[in-house]
Amino acid sequence: KAGVTQTPRYLIKTRGQQVTLSCSPISGHRSVSWYQQTPGQGLQFLFEYFSETQRNKGNFPGRFSGRQFSNSRSEMNVSTLELGDSALYLCASSLAAAGGETQYFGPGTRLLVL
Amino acid sequence: DQQVKQNSPSLSVQEGRISILNCDYTNSMFDYFLWYKKYPAEGPTFLISISSIKDKNEDGRFTVFLNKSAKHLSLHIVPSQPGDSAVYFCAAPPNYGGSQGNLIFGKGTKLSVKP
Repeated sequence: KAGVTQTPRYLIKTRGQQVTLSCSPISGHRSVSWYQQTPGQGLQFLFEYFSETQRNKGNFPGRFSGRQFSNSRSEMNVSTLELGDSALYLCASSLAAAGGETQYFGPGTRLLVL
Repeated sequence: DQQVKQNSPSLSVQEGRISILNCDYTNSMFDYFLWYKKYPAEGPTFLISISSIKDKNEDGRFTVFLNKSAKHLSLHIVPSQPGDSAVYFCAAPPNYGGSQGNLIFGKGTKLSVKP
């Protein structure tokens, strides 16, 4: 079974631009979560989608948004990029948004904002 | 306010010895804990979990201990192997009895196992 895939793997943008990252969950998984990893803050939760609906949202500004499609694939968008948005963005999927479900992570998209 | 804390950013252990990675939490409502391992250029990989109704969970060389009164958990790796060298994250879902969809992670401990 294929794992979680994320595209692109690496991205360089400049301040003020916007970016869209993509995540394809493991087949059959309906929950997709996004995390931001930075050296200073560690792994921080961005948002979680389940059956095309946002179920939970972390403490990030409105410039960060996401969506999930009917095939469970998800995208996250960051508008008006800032230097501090440089990070590794990780996507994770699980069978369902229920207690006890293990999350499986993709390799991440490394975003560099210049 | 960090609800899950890993106070040791790094740990170095000799091959064959025990590795003990520690994690503290502040929210007494947390009822489920997970450990993830992360190699460079890869996403975190689930390692082992423990429910608050238990104080120990074992899986091969990996054992997680939970001390609810101290709000402390630890991951023991015995015996440690060079392939265990990675960053280890402790995590908990913040919703009582809820999903793992929004995990709170510690900042990680980098384990180096020397041959």
